[in-house]
Amino acid sequence: EVVLTQSPAILSASPGERVTLSCRASQSVDSHLVWYQQRPGQAPRLLIYESSTRATGIPARFSGSGSGTEFTLTINSLQSEDFAVYFCQQSKNWPPMYTFGQGTKLEIK
Amino acid sequence: QVQLQESGPRLLKPAGTLSLTCNVSGDSIVSSYWWNWVRQTPEKGLEWIGDIYHTGSGNYNPSLKSRATISVDKSKNQFSLQLRSLTASDTAIYYCARDKGPLNSQRGIFESWGPGTLVTVSS
Repeated sequence: EVVLTQSPAILSASPGERVTLSCRASQSVDSHLVWYQQRPGQAPRLLIYESSTRATGIPARFSGSGSGTEFTLTINSLQSEDFAVYFCQQSKNWPPMYTFGQGTKLEIK
Repeated sequence: QVQLQESGPRLLKPAGTLSLTCNVSGDSIVSSYWWNWVRQTPEKGLEWIGDIYHTGSGNYNPSLKSRATISVDKSKNQFSLQLRSLTASDTAIYYCARDKGPLNSQRGIFESWGPGTLVTVSS
């Protein structure tokens, strides 16, 4: 099983700032890394897939990068609606055995 | 645009069986997508349970494979989850979700989600 470790667990930032969230895989997942945003009381929302491709309707201030075992999600110019929990997930395994990171909570400083 | 909605009992007893249904609207269950169940707890976070194709072919998380069954009802445009031998650790929000697209490269990318349903296992 691929274990995903996200850091930091909690990130405090102010609106307008740029933040970087990290996700490390226990073994290579190539570029098969997905990012989700989850707001309180809501289902996760697809942000980024294949490490760096933004999903439909996702603002350009969200960007992803990385391959192998190290990945980052960068959010430029934080907006109030961006304060949420972010999860990474790998979609590489075959046969399917998809795993998620434990999440990074982005909170207002 | 596809919409997913989970339904089923919210309170179950230990040793019992969880039965949840995901109603699909705006798309056909026999379209070329894989359909998934995911659960979330504060302790373990998000956990993929398994997926299914309209042919009935599916895959499971090895940690749940012995207790879980996912099935499709084409006539009702639904898919379902059964989880047996429940314990308190099965208390979670259960989500159904659809893969992003029909290609193998799009599997495991959960683009559409239901709102989730909280299931509590307690005596």
